[in-house]
Amino acid sequence: SQQGEEDPQALSIQEGENATMNCSYKTSINNLQWYRQNSGRGLVHLILIRSNEREKHSGRLRVTLDTSKKSSSLLITASRAADTASYFCATIIQGAQKLVFGQGTRLTINP
Amino acid sequence: NAGVMQNPRHLVRRRGQEARLRCSPMKGHSHVYWYRQLPEEGLKFMVYLQKENIIDESGMPKERFSAEFPKEGPSILRIQQVVRGDSAAYFCASSRWGTLGDTGELFFGEGSRLTVL
Repeated sequence: SQQGEEDPQALSIQEGENATMNCSYKTSINNLQWYRQNSGRGLVHLILIRSNEREKHSGRLRVTLDTSKKSSSLLITASRAADTASYFCATIIQGAQKLVFGQGTRLTINP
Repeated sequence: NAGVMQNPRHLVRRRGQEARLRCSPMKGHSHVYWYRQLPEEGLKFMVYLQKENIIDESGMPKERFSAEFPKEGPSILRIQQVVRGDSAAYFCASSRWGTLGDTGELFFGEGSRLTVL
């Protein structure tokens, strides 16, 4: 069964707007990561947030983590056409040694 | 420093044939993970290997699928007697310290896309 569930499944916005994607998970985690996948390509790591962190920034990316609600959000500010991709959250379940991915959010940035 | 290399990028097989997918991890990485992705879906974990050892194969189908990561050479994901349902993109990822390491970040290859006719 999937550990992470992204919401929304698809998101379409205008260039320059902010994009927010959410991820919920089921069990206790060590950390939560976000990855991007361009169409037909492999996944690229974007950012990692540890279970004892609440917020983290990297360039135009802002990630939050709420362990009490078992949820995370990824915010992309000032979106660009090149941000068009699928975005996945992934978690490492405590005691396991594998990264488990959600179903992803397909983000489309319209010029 | 080359990234994770997967080949072939595209593979076409007829039902009943064998498919072999190869993955060379990044230099210095000894942990390899295989994932499968169906169109418009997320990645499903298949197997986690370290050199010469299978650490976690909980996502591998019990039959027809096998994986290895020998002391020398690439990791191999082998699918015997392929069926149409095996058509998917298969991704390999590697890491230096494994997912329990300090970062747990995985580095992915570009994938091998298997089509079964």
